[in-house]
Amino acid sequence: EAGVAQSPRYKIIEKRQSVAFWCNPISGHATLYWYQQILGQGPKLLIQFQNNGVVDDSQLPKDRFSAERLKGVDSTLKIQPAKLEDSAVYLCASSLTSGGAYEQYFGPGTRLTVT
Amino acid sequence: DQQVKQNSPSLSVQEGRISILNCDYTNSMFDYFLWYKKYPAEGPTFLISISSIKDKNEDGRFTVFLNKSAKHLSLHIVPSQPGDSAVYFCAASTNYGGATNKLIFGTGTLLAVQP
Repeated sequence: EAGVAQSPRYKIIEKRQSVAFWCNPISGHATLYWYQQILGQGPKLLIQFQNNGVVDDSQLPKDRFSAERLKGVDSTLKIQPAKLEDSAVYLCASSLTSGGAYEQYFGPGTRLTVT
Repeated sequence: DQQVKQNSPSLSVQEGRISILNCDYTNSMFDYFLWYKKYPAEGPTFLISISSIKDKNEDGRFTVFLNKSAKHLSLHIVPSQPGDSAVYFCAASTNYGGATNKLIFGTGTLLAVQP
């Protein structure tokens, strides 16, 4: 079974530029998550989708971050414009459904460096 | 407000001995707890979980203990192997069986198992 795919793996941009990350979840997984992991911290949930609807985006900085999940499969996360404090690893995860004990499967992440 | 705390940033253990990783939480509404393992340049992978109705769950060399009165859980690895060297994250959820599966992660503990 193929895992969660993410691209690119690494990205370096200057502050105020824009960047987009792509995620392809495990086939059949209805729920998709985007996390931000800053160095030395644990992953923090940015947004959660159930199929193509948003379940939780309470910690998404909506003035600069946006995310969409077209057709309930792939997802993109965009930052526009980027700030220095956005330097982090962005992890995508998926699970069969959003409730219960279903564990989340993580992709390898995209390491973003903002200079 | 760090709801899930891993107070030991690192732990070094000899191969064959027991590794004990600790996690404390502050939110008494947490009802499901998970441990994830993370190797460098990879996403976290699920290791073991426990619901709040239990105080112990075992899976091979890995055992998780939950002390609800102390708001404390621990992961025991016996015997420890060099391949167990990784960062271990504790995570907690408030909605076991519900509509969302939002995980709150600790900051992680780097385990080094010495041959």
